[in-house]
Amino acid sequence: GQSLEQPSEVTAVEGAIVQINCTYQTSGFYGLSWYQQHDGGAPTFLSYNGLDGLEETGRFSSFLSRSDSYGYLLLQELQMKDSASYFCAGGTGAGSYQLTFGKGTKLSVIP
Amino acid sequence: DGGITQSPKYLFRKEGQNVTLSCEQNLNHDAMYWYRQDPGQGLRLIYYSQIVNDFQKGDIAEGYSVSREKKESFPLTVTSAQKNPTAFYLCASTQNGVNYGYTFGSGTRLTVV
Repeated sequence: GQSLEQPSEVTAVEGAIVQINCTYQTSGFYGLSWYQQHDGGAPTFLSYNGLDGLEETGRFSSFLSRSDSYGYLLLQELQMKDSASYFCAGGTGAGSYQLTFGKGTKLSVIP
Repeated sequence: DGGITQSPKYLFRKEGQNVTLSCEQNLNHDAMYWYRQDPGQGLRLIYYSQIVNDFQKGDIAEGYSVSREKKESFPLTVTSAQKNPTAFYLCASTQNGVNYGYTFGSGTRLTVV
């Protein structure tokens, strides 16, 4: 089975950089994804790492180390609108891969 | 524009009643999923379907049922057997063989009164 661990809350200052870590224990692992969810809203896909290394998409970057069972999401130049919950999710299952989600990290961006 | 439509947005149910949550997608995606989200919790998989007329149980399928008669539609029924149904329910879809980039609907918030 899969379990993913991430911090429950993080606070950062507007304009700063924040890193949200995710560690996982899994069998049959197929990659790590990150999703953003504003309060009451739908999760939206941010980033995916299928191989080790860094993926960059604008202000957001994601990193994966499969040997360490570890990944992180890096948010740069934080904006107030980045205040949301961020979930890491691990893919498993052949064919239509199933996603198992961590419990989420609530990011609060303060002025 | 393509997307996933969930309805209703809010739903109230009396104890002992079954209710059905609607999920429709026009993305031509093969796979569809139902997740449950409780406050401060991650998303937990209820059921998923990779193809019409076929579906599999997820981690918390007890007290729920689904059908997949059309590619576009994947309704979820919350039965009276579900002991704690109050939650936020999210439907998602993706192409088969893709383990990222899920598209989610806007969710249905179910409350038992």
